[in-house]
Amino acid sequence: GAVVSQHPSWVICKSGTSVKIECRSLDFQATTMFWYRQFPKQSLMLMATSNEGSKATYEQGVEKDKFLINHASLTLSTLTVTSAHPEDSSFYICSATRLNTEAFFGQGTRLTVV
Amino acid sequence: GENVEQHPSTLSVQEGDSAVIKCTYSDSASNYFPWYKQELGKGPQLIIDIRSNVGEKKDQRIAVTLNKTAKHFSLHITETQPEDSAVYFCAANTGGFKTIFGAGTRLFVKA
Repeated sequence: GAVVSQHPSWVICKSGTSVKIECRSLDFQATTMFWYRQFPKQSLMLMATSNEGSKATYEQGVEKDKFLINHASLTLSTLTVTSAHPEDSSFYICSATRLNTEAFFGQGTRLTVV
Repeated sequence: GENVEQHPSTLSVQEGDSAVIKCTYSDSASNYFPWYKQELGKGPQLIIDIRSNVGEKKDQRIAVTLNKTAKHFSLHITETQPEDSAVYFCAANTGGFKTIFGAGTRLFVKA
C-alpha cells in the first residue's frame, strides 16, 4: 500500500510552547490530508481536512487558532499545536487520500505537554 | 453528517475460532467502507475495504460484507491467531472523502 510518514513519532514539550507535526505522502500525491486526534482507548476523532493550496476545514469544536494546519504541497501537510497545554496531550494521526477514496494513515505522533 | 456505530466494543475468542464485528452507518451517500487494524502506539492500517457496488469481498482469512439497504457492514476473521489481537475500526467514507470511524472493537485472541 501507499506510504504516509508522520514526524515526529513522539514529542514532549513545555506548556506554552508550540509543536509542529509533519505528515508526508511518500509515493503518491495527496490532494487531501486529514488530521485526527485519538485519546486513550477511544476512536479517532476528525479534527480538520487539509486541502493543498487552500485553507483547512475544521470540524465543529476544533479551535482553528490552536491547531494551525498548512498544506504547502501535494505531499506535505503540517499541524502546529500552538501554546500547548497539558490537555492537548494526545495521539495525533494524519491520513492522506489516494484516488480520492482510499486513506492511508501515518504512524501517529504522541504529544505530551508538561 | 455521517455516523458510524460499531459493535461489540470488546471481543474475546479462542485461537482458531471466528470473530465477527458489525457496523452500521447513517449516510446513504457513503460509498466506501474500509476496515482498519490498530496496534498499540501505532496508526491504523488498512486491512480490507469494500465499495458500495459490491456485496462481499474476501482476502485470505478476512472477509467483509455490505448490506446497502440495511446500511450494515461486517468484518469476518476466520481461524483467528494471537497476532490478530488488536483494535479494529470500521469506517465510512462520504462524498467529501472524509473517513468517519466507528468506536472500535478490541479483539483478544486467546492461545
